[in-house]
Amino acid sequence: AQSVTQPDIHITVSEGASLELRCNYSYGATPYLFWYVQSPGQGLQLLLKYFSGDTLVQGIKGFEAEFKRSQSSFNLRKPSVHWSDAAEYFCAVSPSGGYQKVTFGTGTKLQVIP
Amino acid sequence: GAVVSQHPSWVICKSGTSVKIECRSLDFQATTMFWYRQFPKQSLMLMATSNEGSKATYEQGVEKDKFLINHASLTLSTLTVTSAHPEDSSFYICSAPRGNVESPLHFGNGTRLTVT
Repeated sequence: AQSVTQPDIHITVSEGASLELRCNYSYGATPYLFWYVQSPGQGLQLLLKYFSGDTLVQGIKGFEAEFKRSQSSFNLRKPSVHWSDAAEYFCAVSPSGGYQKVTFGTGTKLQVIP
Repeated sequence: GAVVSQHPSWVICKSGTSVKIECRSLDFQATTMFWYRQFPKQSLMLMATSNEGSKATYEQGVEKDKFLINHASLTLSTLTVTSAHPEDSSFYICSAPRGNVESPLHFGNGTRLTVT
């Protein structure tokens, strides 16, 4: 069975600082990987996805993520965080083939301080 | 703009009553939609897969008689929480894939259900 681990429950960064959110997955083959962001009381918005090809994927809002097969990781990064980035971030995985049976990590709550 | 609309955004109901939540795909057809439940400070847990024109597929441990799902058209799925109890209070979110099987999920904004 597939699983996703986000080891950091809560992260605080200063505005303008760089950010890296960790995500590790467990799956027998190369999965489909996603990062979603959720603002309070809202649904989830897709930041970026990895299906195949270039292991460094660019997303919206200046985010990027790198797929590292050897480490079973798909960490999310942003060079300079803005106060509006404060939200909860979910890493997700689904079996090769698309959107079915998407498994979400437990989320990382990002706090941005001035 | 939003491609999946969920209504209502929040609802308060009395214990024992039923509540219906709607999930609509706005500019695309969705033969499949997904319903999730999210407890405070936790991740999304898939409750069921809604299939247009056929019965929903429920995840293990989800009571199908309590959480009734109807997917009567290609753009609308409904989740009805029957005989709601305070422990059903939660955040319910729907999602739908837009496009082919490689399409990521688009989510509604969720419904906060409070049962008093």
